[in-house]
Amino acid sequence: DIQMTQSPSSLSASVGDRVTITCRASQSINRYLNWYQQKPGKAPKLLIYAASSLQSGVPSRFSGSGSGTDFTLTISSLHPEDFATYYCQHSYNTPWTFGQGTKVEIK
Amino acid sequence: QLQLQESGPGLVKPSETLSLTCTVSGGSISTSSYYWGWIRQPPGKGLEWIGSIYYDGSTYFNPSLKRRVTISTDTSENQFSLKLSSVTAADTAVYYCARDLIGYCSGSTCHSFDYWGQGTLVTVSS
Repeated sequence: DIQMTQSPSSLSASVGDRVTITCRASQSINRYLNWYQQKPGKAPKLLIYAASSLQSGVPSRFSGSGSGTDFTLTISSLHPEDFATYYCQHSYNTPWTFGQGTKVEIK
Repeated sequence: QLQLQESGPGLVKPSETLSLTCTVSGGSISTSSYYWGWIRQPPGKGLEWIGSIYYDGSTYFNPSLKRRVTISTDTSENQFSLKLSSVTAADTAVYYCARDLIGYCSGSTCHSFDYWGQGTLVTVSS
């Protein structure tokens, strides 16, 4: 199985901050990488697919980049509603696996 | 607007079979661009993909669960279902159904979960 490792596991930030979350795959996954946002008690929401494509309806302050083994999710200016847990997920081969999550908390 | 809704027992005894159904509204599961998947999340933990099914019955499974998992479709009811046998406390989780979108990345197919149900907590306990 391909292991997905996110860093950091948690971070504290303020409204307006630029936030970057990293996801590293245990082998090359080309650009087969998605990002999700999950709020407490809610289902995950797809933000980014194919490493850098913004899902319809997702604010443009979210962006993704990377290929191969190293990927980043960037929030250009943190909004109050962005405090949540973020997960990466690959679909290079089965089983699709997720990172362990990065919790973005209010500083 | 596509909606997915999980249903099934919230409590299952150890060694028994967990059975859940996902009802899809606002769109047909008999569509060529999508698989339909199950993902679970133990309390306070991360996400684990269980498996996905195409309307024609083709399936992908997580090898760690494959021996115990059955996923099926009922196109007449626009539903798909999950059965997980021989459950233990480790199977206690929120179970989500989701649309597994088939996309094209770098010339090959890739998958993402673009619509999700709200999730249902299943507890394994005697």
